[in-house]
Amino acid sequence: SQQGEEDPQALSIQEGENATMNCSYKTSINNLQWYRQNSGRGLVHLILIRSNEREKHSGRLRVTLDTSKKSSSLLITASRAADTASYFCATDDGETSGSRLTFGEGTQLTVNP
Amino acid sequence: GAGVSQSPSNKVTEKGKDVELRCDPISGHTALYWYRQRLGQGLEFLIYFQGNSAPDKSGLPSDRFSAERTGESVSTLTIQRTQQEDSAVYLCASSFRKRHYVWRGGNEQFFGPGTRLTVL
Repeated sequence: SQQGEEDPQALSIQEGENATMNCSYKTSINNLQWYRQNSGRGLVHLILIRSNEREKHSGRLRVTLDTSKKSSSLLITASRAADTASYFCATDDGETSGSRLTFGEGTQLTVNP
Repeated sequence: GAGVSQSPSNKVTEKGKDVELRCDPISGHTALYWYRQRLGQGLEFLIYFQGNSAPDKSGLPSDRFSAERTGESVSTLTIQRTQQEDSAVYLCASSFRKRHYVWRGGNEQFFGPGTRLTVL
């Protein structure tokens, strides 16, 4: 079963605008990760935030984590057409053997030039 | 260095046939994962390898699915008597799982490009 749920399912914005995607999860976690997927193929790791962290930045990406609300957000600033992709959050609960990732359904982001 | 590779990139088969999907992880990565992604959905965990053993097979959907890993490297996922509902992209990922993994906060997984399986 999917633990993460992304919101919104689809987002369409103009180039230069900011894009915010949210993720909620149900169980306690060791870390939460965001991945990007182009054209339904391989995933690219964007950022990992540990359970004891509240905010993390990487270039134009900003991730927040609120463990009390079991939610995370991914902000992409100054979006570009090349940011068009599906974005997934994935949780690592650190409990199950191998710490497999549990993925949400994803947000489809379209950035219009 | 080289990333995770998977072959074939696309596989079309007839219902009832067996298929083998291959994954070559990043050299030195001890952990290897298989996921399945149906169209428009997120990834479903199938199986995890640490070295050559599979301590977690809980995601395999039926006994038609099996996987093995050899030489702490290549892994093959085999689907016997394929069904149309097996059609999906099968993704492999690898990770370097260090000692005291949990308190170190975990590691990212590196994904291959996937194999798109279509069962007619």
